[in-house]
Parts: sequence; C-alpha cells; structure tokens
Amino acid sequence: QKEVEQNSGPLSVPEGAIASLNCTYSDRGSQSFFWYRQYSGKSPELIMFIYSNGDKEDGRFTAQLNKASQYVSLLIRDSQPSDSATYLCAVNGGSQGNLIFGKGTKLSVKP
Amino acid sequence: DAGITQSPRHKVTETGTPVTLRCHQTENHRYMYWYRQDPGHGLRLIHYSYGVKDTDKGEVSDGYSVSRSKTEDFLLTLESATSSQTSVYFCAIRNQVAGVYNEQFFGPGTRLTVL
Repeated sequence: QKEVEQNSGPLSVPEGAIASLNCTYSDRGSQSFFWYRQYSGKSPELIMFIYSNGDKEDGRFTAQLNKASQYVSLLIRDSQPSDSATYLCAVNGGSQGNLIFGKGTKLSVKP
Repeated sequence: DAGITQSPRHKVTETGTPVTLRCHQTENHRYMYWYRQDPGHGLRLIHYSYGVKDTDKGEVSDGYSVSRSKTEDFLLTLESATSSQTSVYFCAIRNQVAGVYNEQFFGPGTRLTVL
C-alpha cells in the first residue's frame, strides 16, 4: 500500500515568518510530487510541483525534494494570514497518472 | 480555471435511493477522476477514466459505479446510497498539456448528505 504521510497540524506561525510543511512517501519509485492548497469549503488548488531533487522556487513558495530520504517539503516565506489553509501533499502512484494524497497539514498564520 | 463543473453542488438524499453526480469539462482532457474527501481520511480515489468508455476502480470503489459516454462528461452513481457515503465529492482532470507530469485540477465539489 503506497502511502503519503503529513503532520496534520495545526501548524501555527506568525505573520511574516517562514512556514515549513513536510511530507514523506513510501514508494521509492515515485517521480512527481505536488502541493495543493485547500481553503475551508473549497476545492484543492495546485500551487507547486517538483520532479527533480533539490529546490524549486515560485514566488514566496519553495518546494524541496529529497528522493533518497523520500521526503518533500514546502516552504512559505513571508507568511500571510491569507496563506491559512490546509496543504495537501500528493505523489504520483501509478502509470495512469493517479495521485496519492496525504491527509493534509492545516496551517494558521496569525496576524 | 480548468473548465470543470460539477452538478449538483449540494444534495441531501435518503438511504437506499440512487444518486448520480455529474462532472463536466470543457477542455477535452482524456483523464478524469472522482475522489471523495472525508475528515481524517483525506482525498481518496473512487474511480477514474482514461477515455470514453474506459474506466477503472480506485481505492474506495465499493458502492459506486461510473460511466463516460462522452469525453466531456464523467458520471458517478451511487446505486443505493448509504450514510457512509456522506462526503464531499471532487472531480478532477489530468492536464495532458504538461506531458507525463500528471498535474490534476479539481472541480468545485459536490457536498452529499445521505440521511
């Protein structure tokens, strides 16, 4: 059974701080990794994806991938109250492009 | 906007009744997915489709069936709804423009309550 694990939180950070969200996965053969943001009552929204070891930056977001250790992380710099949401980690799980999702980490950014 | 709509957006039904949820996409994507999301379980794949009339089961397919007679529509049917199927249902499409990278984009969701 392929699994994706996330700390459920809540993770609370002050406004302007760096929020660090972590995810581990069980399938060493996984090749693509995704971070989704989900506001309460809304659908998941893709914010980052990463395929290669190392860092990938997009604005205030940085995704980090370490395949040897089987973890992927998301850093949010200069956190804003509008970043308060649940962040879902997803990993590709099969040849048909299926994704396996973690249960999500709830982030709260305090003004 | 990935051009995905779901209908209905909210539904309340009674145990034992059949229910059909519709997912409609406007961008001709080959792959479509149905997920359910429940507290403590996250997003779980119910069924998916990789083309017209081509469907397969996901992790939690028991009690659900699907049909795809047109590229743009993917239907999820609960033949006889049970209270355990109370959930939020999301449809997703796979962005083939990006090649093998498998990004999925989600519809707005359907909140289903089975009494």
